Formats: sequence, C-alpha cells, structure tokens
Amino acid sequence: EPEVTQTPSHQVTQMGQEVILRCVPISNHLYFYWYRQILGQKVEFLVSFYNNEISEKSEIFDDQFSVERPDGSNFTLKIRSTKLEDSAMYFCASRGQGAHGNSPLHFGNGTRLTVT
Amino acid sequence: DAKTTQPNSMESNEEEPVHLPCNHSTISGTDYIHWYRQLPSQGPEYVIHGLTSNVNNRMASLAIAEDRKSSTLILHRATLRDAAVYYCILKDQAGTALIFGKGTTLSVSS
Repeated sequence: EPEVTQTPSHQVTQMGQEVILRCVPISNHLYFYWYRQILGQKVEFLVSFYNNEISEKSEIFDDQFSVERPDGSNFTLKIRSTKLEDSAMYFCASRGQGAHGNSPLHFGNGTRLTVT
Repeated sequence: DAKTTQPNSMESNEEEPVHLPCNHSTISGTDYIHWYRQLPSQGPEYVIHGLTSNVNNRMASLAIAEDRKSSTLILHRATLRDAAVYYCILKDQAGTALIFGKGTTLSVSS
C-alpha cells in the first residue's frame, strides 16, 4: 500500500537555526498537509496546500513557517528561525480528490524536531 | 468545525468488542463523521467515516444515530494492537482540514 514518507525521522537543531522537514506524499494525491504534536498534547493543524498554494492555515502557521512543493514529488515545511517551543513531532499528510472533499488523509510517521 | 465529545479513556479486554462513543449534538446536515486513531509513536491513521448510514470496513463499523447527534465506533474483536487514541472528528464538505480533539485513549488487556 502506498505510504507517505517523511525524512529525517529525528532532527536536532539549535535555537535560531532554519530547518526543512521533508515529505513525499502519495503519488496521485492532490491535497497536502502539515500537522504538529507537542509531546503529550493533541495533534494540531498547521497548513493545507492544494494546486501549488496554501488553501488553509492555522494561527500557529505564522511568518516563521513556509511550505513548498519544489518538484512533483516532495512537499516541505521550513521553519526560518526555530524556537524552543517548536520542538514537536511534525506530521505530513496527503489525500486524493475523493467525493465531497472527504477522502481519507494518509499520514506519515512524522519527524521529531528537537530545538536546543 | 462542530464540536465532538468523547470519553477521555476506555478499557477493554482482548478479543472482546469495543464501543467507542462520540457525541456531536451541534452537527450540521453537511458534516461527515470521521474516525482516526493514533497508535503509540505513529502518525494518525484513518479508520472510517460516514454521513447518515451505518458503515462497515475491514477495520471497524460506524453506527450513526438516527438524529446524527451521536455515533459509535465499533471494534468487533479488540486486539492488543488496537490500543491507541481514537479521534472522532466532524468535517464538512467544503473544508479540507481535519481538526483533532483529545480523543479517547483505548487500553486493551490480554
């Protein structure tokens, strides 16, 4: 079964540094998402991306964050200047067209970002 | 998105059925009911979704009340691998993002 793959599985960075988290969504999917989960807390929506532009974003997704689909296969999340509170598990997800926009989301297993 | 209410935790024994409830009294006519689960150290995983009729798939069944103000996810025979956080989420047709709540933590004992 096709999977969403995320790299790296664990990233350690120093406060103030830029990080790029990478995702390869399922190949025929059209909608792409980033979520994060701070340890012990709930899964939080960050941003959705469709047709090469952001379609929705949450309050968390401020100017420090950006997303890009640089080629036909990768989907990236960039954090420009990391803060301690950015330490979390970051999940990428994708979905196909589906009926009524309700096709299931497929999640990767996440990248654990640790900011020191 | 309309709000859902789930118990914080539930316990089950292996090979017994599990009924996970979800209340959504403010559901609108266009809201679909989605269930996802998150196994330890993994990303969320789709389980099932429905609009009005009960739904079955290889993982579970979804029973939707006639007034749609509540639903129940049914795991027919719980296994140790079913221990996870289960999320009941309402999603309308227009929006594309799923918004997760705290979910129900299911423990399964052998």
